[in-house]
Amino acid sequence: IAGITQAPTSQILAAGRRMTLRCTQDMRHNAMYWYRQDLGLGLRLIHYSNTAGTTGKGEVPDGYSVSRANTDDFPLTLASAVPSQTSVYFCASSELRGGLGSEQFFGPGTRLTVL
Amino acid sequence: KNEVEQSPQNLTAQEGEFITINCSYSVGISALHWLQQHPGGGIVSLFMLSSGKKKHGRLIATINIQEKHSSLHITASHPRDSAVYICGPFRGNQFYFGTGTSLTVIP
Repeated sequence: IAGITQAPTSQILAAGRRMTLRCTQDMRHNAMYWYRQDLGLGLRLIHYSNTAGTTGKGEVPDGYSVSRANTDDFPLTLASAVPSQTSVYFCASSELRGGLGSEQFFGPGTRLTVL
Repeated sequence: KNEVEQSPQNLTAQEGEFITINCSYSVGISALHWLQQHPGGGIVSLFMLSSGKKKHGRLIATINIQEKHSSLHITASHPRDSAVYICGPFRGNQFYFGTGTSLTVIP
């Protein structure tokens, strides 16, 4: 039972490069989320998807894009990375019911360093 | 901006002690999530609650929606409870997570 997997585990990236962080879940959850975690700021929502084919912006969406072509996958793309995007990125999923908050399950995280 | 306040920010306890971590928020919410983040970085869901109290093993979570406050209690604490505990009120369509309480339990 994998739950949620993320790849890569860590990455060092030159500024200006394009990077896609991968996230896959096998729980058939309808909702998926991308967070970044920075020291002193906690987990902040970047983008979310309540169901395949739809996405929405979270608290800090600038510089990031997402797609949700199917239920299982929710990639996060940095089109042109900048040093301020150095962070630990967590993907999460949940079974969203009626717009109410539901328990979220987190992936292991991707540590990204932009130089 | 951070509308969620957790206290204390850091906590050191002796093994066996009863521990309380508090979470206060400033706006109305419909539910609240408690997470545990291990020293290695992995995040585990502990509780999701919208009223009253929930218990799982040695962990108890309570919430008072009207008073905008939730608490996480750990009974008979153990060194393996050492972790960061994060609360996240749910409002609108997303969780707003706090910066966490770092707990160290000493044998």
